[in-house]
Amino acid sequence: ETGVTQSPTHLIKTRGQQVTLRCSSQSGHNTVSWYQQALGQGPQFIFQYYREEENGRGNFPPRFSGLQFPNYSSELNVNALELDDSALYLCASSTGTGAREQYFGPGTRLTVT
Amino acid sequence: QKEVEQNSGPLSVPEGAIASLNCTYSDRGSQSFFWYRQYSGKSPELIMSIYSNGDKEDGRFTAQLNKASQYVSLLIRDSQPSDSATYLCAVKGGSGGSNYKLTFGKGTLLTVNP
Repeated sequence: ETGVTQSPTHLIKTRGQQVTLRCSSQSGHNTVSWYQQALGQGPQFIFQYYREEENGRGNFPPRFSGLQFPNYSSELNVNALELDDSALYLCASSTGTGAREQYFGPGTRLTVT
Repeated sequence: QKEVEQNSGPLSVPEGAIASLNCTYSDRGSQSFFWYRQYSGKSPELIMSIYSNGDKEDGRFTAQLNKASQYVSLLIRDSQPSDSATYLCAVKGGSGGSNYKLTFGKGTLLTVNP
């Protein structure tokens, strides 16, 4: 069974640039959720994708957007990067929108300078 | 009031002792409760889940849930230095219909001293 994978591992961008982060869900999982974890904080929910549609969204501006593909993998796109976007971005997969348990990938560390 | 609250710590215990981690939540309609362990620089790892009042044991870990008091705890028996990590409490479901997302506390840093 393949776990959740994310790429890249680390990324350094300049303020104002755009970034795309990628996630492949665990085998058998059709739902992907994205979280942002700032240093010293717990993860904050960004949004969830199920059947290629956004299923729910947290308190993040529209410059955070996403996609889900037919193979259940997903992308997180962030436009007009700000310094406060520096964080660990986590992807979690699950077996459905109401599935009880979510399993996290290794994360992508984004630094905005 | 914060949705999920944890003592930030650090909590320091000697090797072999019981570590007790606590969490309270504000949404009385919450349905699912989780403990994740996060080593420094790594992603959260699910170690316990609990859905009904009472205790749930898995090896050295025991999760306790009291919905009336809106309180969740994690006990780690025979603590080992390898248990040193940040423990995140997460809650799912609630009166707002948000059964799809996890809401996390800030985490408690546990240090087990040899």
